Amino acid sequence: GAVVSQHPSWVICKSGTSVKIECRSLDFQATTMFWYRQFPKQSLMLMATSNEGSKATYEQGVEKDKFLINHASLTLSTLTVTSAHPEDSSFYICSAPGWGSPNYGYTFGSGTRLTVV
Amino acid sequence: DQQVKQNSPSLSVQEGRISILNCDYTNSMFDYFLWYKKYPAEGPTFLISISSIKDKNEDGRFTVFLNKSAKHLSLHIVPSQPGDSAVYFCAAREIPLRLGGSEKLVFGKGTKLTVNP
Repeated sequence: GAVVSQHPSWVICKSGTSVKIECRSLDFQATTMFWYRQFPKQSLMLMATSNEGSKATYEQGVEKDKFLINHASLTLSTLTVTSAHPEDSSFYICSAPGWGSPNYGYTFGSGTRLTVV
Repeated sequence: DQQVKQNSPSLSVQEGRISILNCDYTNSMFDYFLWYKKYPAEGPTFLISISSIKDKNEDGRFTVFLNKSAKHLSLHIVPSQPGDSAVYFCAAREIPLRLGGSEKLVFGKGTKLTVNP
C-alpha cells in the first residue's frame, strides 16, 4: 500500500532556530501533500496544502512566512518552521492521497513531535 | 465553527461487546467520510470510508453507517477487542469550492475508545 515516510519523528530545538520536516511518498507519486498540526487532545488542524510545482495553499490564520512549505518533487514535500518559538511546539503530520483515495483513505506520515525550548 | 463534531471525548466498552462511535457534520459539501485510528505520537491509520451516496459500508468487524438527512455517521466495531483501544477520528472530505482548488479532510476532535478485557 501507499506509504508516507516522515522525518524526524521528534526534534528539540532552541527558540529562534529553524526546523525542517520531510515527508516522502515511498511507493507512489504524491502530487498533493497535506500538512496538519495537532495540539494535545485536539483535532488535526489542516495548516496547508502543497502541490508539486506550485505554491502551497495555506489555511486561514496560518503564517506563510513562518511555516514554509516546499514540494520539490512528486515524492518529497517539506515543512520548515522558521524562527521557532515555544508556542510552535506541537505534533506535525503530513498526509497524501494515495492510490484509491478517498475510498481507501489518505496515507499519513508517522508525525513529528516538535519541542521548542 | 466546527464542521465535524465528535461529541463524546471518551468511550469505554467491555471486550466482545459492540463499540459505537458517533460523528456529526454540518457541511453538505462533504462527499466522503473516513474513520481513522490513532495512537499517541503516531500518524492516523485509515480504517474505513463511506461515500455520501451510500448509507452503509462494512469491512470485517468495522461498519460505518451514514444518515445524510441527520448529517450523522457512526462507526460500529463488533466484537470489540482490547487492541482496538485508541483514539478514533472521524474525517470528512470537502471537495474544492473553486476551480483549481484542492480537496481537504476536516477532522473531528476524536473519541478515545477503551476496550476492557
